Amino acid sequence: GAVVSQHPSRVICKSGTSVKIECRSLDFQATTMFWYRQFPKQSLMLMATSNEGSKATYEQGVEKDKFLINHASLTLSTLTVTSAHPEDSSFYICGLRVGSTEAFFGQGTRLTVV
Amino acid sequence: GENVEQHPSTLSVQEGDSAVIKCTYSDSASNYFPWYKQELGKRPQLIIDIRSNVGEKKDQRIAVTLNKTAKHFSLHITETQPEDSAVYFCAASEKAGTALIFGKGTTLSVSS
Repeated sequence: GAVVSQHPSRVICKSGTSVKIECRSLDFQATTMFWYRQFPKQSLMLMATSNEGSKATYEQGVEKDKFLINHASLTLSTLTVTSAHPEDSSFYICGLRVGSTEAFFGQGTRLTVV
Repeated sequence: GENVEQHPSTLSVQEGDSAVIKCTYSDSASNYFPWYKQELGKRPQLIIDIRSNVGEKKDQRIAVTLNKTAKHFSLHITETQPEDSAVYFCAASEKAGTALIFGKGTTLSVSS
């Protein structure tokens, strides 16, 4: 399987600031990665699909100007939450799939905006 | 796009009993159906998966069944143990390399 490393695992930021979350594929060249958001006691909701070398594909209702995704290499995708507000506090998880096999997920990032 | 419905949202069983969680999906093109177990604050862990060319798959105490005609699939856990207590998610995807779409989850509680 693939090993996905996500950092940071926890971050606390002030309202109005920006936070960057990194997702690295350690042993697989990923042309596509996925970003999910999970609120407490809820499901993993797909936010966007990150495409290496091109623009991300956002799900309906996700603000592309607020959640900036960059996939500049085959091993790194980043999610930047801009002008964060308390309602952006959530658990963010990145993942990838190797062909038609299972998905592999990062450890997740607990974002708290105060 | 794909939509996955999962029931029940909570399930309480006695240790040793069986537990069944059911999911339905909307996109007939979906061909991959995994089940994940997630503990609080951690990444989902794959426990079993099934592809559309198979009707049933078993791994020790865990089994998954798929009915493509009805577009539903189920997770069966036999001889439940307290350590099976967790949140379980079903998911579906349309084709290789695409994102998984998750159900809303089932909180399973196994009491001893």
